[in-house]
Amino acid sequence: GENVEQHPSTLSVQEGDSAVIKCTYSDSASNYFPWYKQELGKGPQLIIDIRSNVGEKKDQRIAVTLNKTAKHFSLHITETQPEDSAVYFCAARDSSASKIIFGSGTRLSIRP
Amino acid sequence: KAGVTQTPRYLIKTRGQQVTLSCSPISGHRSVSWYQQTPGQGLQFLFEYFSETQRNKGNFPGRFSGRQFSNSRSEMNVSTLELGDSALYLCASSPGAGGTDTQYFGPGTRLTVL
Repeated sequence: GENVEQHPSTLSVQEGDSAVIKCTYSDSASNYFPWYKQELGKGPQLIIDIRSNVGEKKDQRIAVTLNKTAKHFSLHITETQPEDSAVYFCAARDSSASKIIFGSGTRLSIRP
Repeated sequence: KAGVTQTPRYLIKTRGQQVTLSCSPISGHRSVSWYQQTPGQGLQFLFEYFSETQRNKGNFPGRFSGRQFSNSRSEMNVSTLELGDSALYLCASSPGAGGTDTQYFGPGTRLTVL
C-alpha cells in the first residue's frame, strides 16, 4: 500500500523567511496530493492540493511542487507570518483507493 | 455552506463501554471518511462510506464500525473501549467517490477512555 514520508518533523523559521516541507510517496499510482494545516483544537484544513497532471501550483504565499518521476512533492510558504504556526500534513491518494494516506506531520513555528 | 459538523466534541468513557460518534457532511457531499488521530500514530484511516456503502476500510479491529444514512450523515461506533482508543476522531466529507475529490474535515470528537 501507499506510504508517505514527511520531513522535517519540526521546523522553526524567522518571520518573513520561507519554509519548505518535503514529502515522498511510494505508490506510483497516486495522483492527488493535498496539504492540510491543523491548528490546536481544530480539524485539518485544506490549504492547497495538486493533481498529477501539473507540476506546480501556487496560491498567494503558498506553493506546491510535484515531481512524479522522483515521487516527491513539497510545500513552500513564503513571507511567513505568525499565523502560519501550526502542524502541516501532506497526503497522497490514488484514483482507485478511497483512503488518503497522511504523512507524519511537520510542526512549523514562526519566530517573531 | 456549513462545514462538516461532528458531535459530540468531547467524550469521556470508561474501559469496556461503547461509544457512537456522529458526522454531518457538507450539504451535497455523498462521501464520508473517518480517521483516528493520535500523537503516536498520526492520522490513520478508519473507513469510508459512499451512498450508504462502505467502500474501503483501514487496519482497525472489528470493534470499530460505521454506517451511513440516506441523508449522507454517518456514525461510527467503537465497542468494548480500550485505553488505546483515546484519540481525536475526525470525519471528512467529499462530493463524490472520485480519487481526486477534495476532503474537508470536521473539528473532530475528542474521546478519552479512562
